[in-house]
Amino acid sequence: EAGVAQSPRYKIIEKRQSVAFWCNPISGHATLYWYQQILGQGPKLLIQFQNNGVVDDSQLPKDRFSAERLKGVDSTLKIQPAKLEDSAVYLCASSLSGGNTQYFGPGTRLTVL
Amino acid sequence: AQSVTQLGSHVSVSEGALVLLRCNYSSSVPPYLFWYVQYPNQGLQLLLKYTSAATLVKGINGFEAEFKKSETSFHLTKPSAHMSDAAEYFCAVSAYTGGGNKLTFGTGTQLKVEL
Repeated sequence: EAGVAQSPRYKIIEKRQSVAFWCNPISGHATLYWYQQILGQGPKLLIQFQNNGVVDDSQLPKDRFSAERLKGVDSTLKIQPAKLEDSAVYLCASSLSGGNTQYFGPGTRLTVL
Repeated sequence: AQSVTQLGSHVSVSEGALVLLRCNYSSSVPPYLFWYVQYPNQGLQLLLKYTSAATLVKGINGFEAEFKKSETSFHLTKPSAHMSDAAEYFCAVSAYTGGGNKLTFGTGTQLKVEL
């Protein structure tokens, strides 16, 4: 069974530029999560989707971050404009609907210069 | 609200020695508890989980953890460390909050295994 796929794996941009990350969850997983992991810290939940609806986006900086999951399968996370403090690894995870176990993708390492 | 505290951001053991990584949690509802491992430049891999069944949970790669409600702890152990165990380990707590299962992670423990 294929795992959670993410792309790109690495991205370097200048501050104030835009960037987008893509995630394809495990087939059949209705719940999708985006996490931000800053160096030396544990992952922090940014947004959770159930199918194509948002369940929790309380930690998402909505002035610059946006995410969508239009067809309830793959998802895109965007940052516009990026700040230096957005440098982090962005992890995508998925789970079965109501499931207690999340499965993580390899992450996208973003460096903002 | 849930929270996790991992004592010791860095732990160093000799190959063949006991591994003990500490995790204490706080949860307002009966928790689910998890240990994940992260190798360099990779995502998180599930080691084991506690979901209110047996209090001693066995995971992959010879790791196990014991849920102790009285101590609000979920420490991770392995009897004999191997060089390949060197990685970062995260403890996490989850509780269903009506909006889904939200994972709250600790700050991680970097495990170093020396010859």
